[in-house]
Amino acid sequence: EVQLVESGGGLVQPGGSLRLSCAASGFIFSNNWMTWVRQAPGKGLEWVANIKQDGSEKYYVDSVKGRFTISRDNANNSLFLQINSLRAEDTAIYYCARGYVTGVDSLDYWGQGTLVAVSS
Amino acid sequence: QSALTQPRSVSGSPGQSVTISCTGTSSDVGGYNYVSWYQQYPGKAPKFMIYDVSKRPSGVPDRFSGSKSGNTASLTISGLQAEDEADYYCCSYAGSYSLVFGGGTKLTVL
Repeated sequence: EVQLVESGGGLVQPGGSLRLSCAASGFIFSNNWMTWVRQAPGKGLEWVANIKQDGSEKYYVDSVKGRFTISRDNANNSLFLQINSLRAEDTAIYYCARGYVTGVDSLDYWGQGTLVAVSS
Repeated sequence: QSALTQPRSVSGSPGQSVTISCTGTSSDVGGYNYVSWYQQYPGKAPKFMIYDVSKRPSGVPDRFSGSKSGNTASLTISGLQAEDEADYYCCSYAGSYSLVFGGGTKLTVL
């Protein structure tokens, strides 16, 4: 059974940092693109970043470029999102999701999410 | 990277059909046959419902179907059931390995 379990969220002050993790199991982690999607309270979904199977390519939404870094550890079946210079508008539930088959354009399994709250 | 446009809400009675539209541009919906749809219950993670415009993953009922014309994609749910009441999001590939989501549509089953 495919499982994705996020962790690392919390309450942080503006300008602070967090490192989100996503532990994957039930599939060959190195076969799939992986993606972070966020959802602000009461709002819609927003694609944040994705990373190729071997970690060689990474892509970001414009609003997080230079502040967020996606990475993966295929040996330990883990996905990460380092988030720096946090702003109030980064407050959201952050989901990790698996790319369907070997593609990047659709997301077939999602974790339960981890909440990041930015407030002073 | 502007969000795709979806109606805020739609509704229908049990047994009826409803269609949710998702309008983008030639840079996303209109430019690629990579539209996907997700169902989300309150407080839960999204669920994968449709990919590549009209394909259903294993386990998704055939009451759910997708289509696309020009810059607008659509999700149709036929034989509406109470359990279909949820939020629905479209998503399109937007080039350069980026994705863009719609604002979401709340489906109410009357």
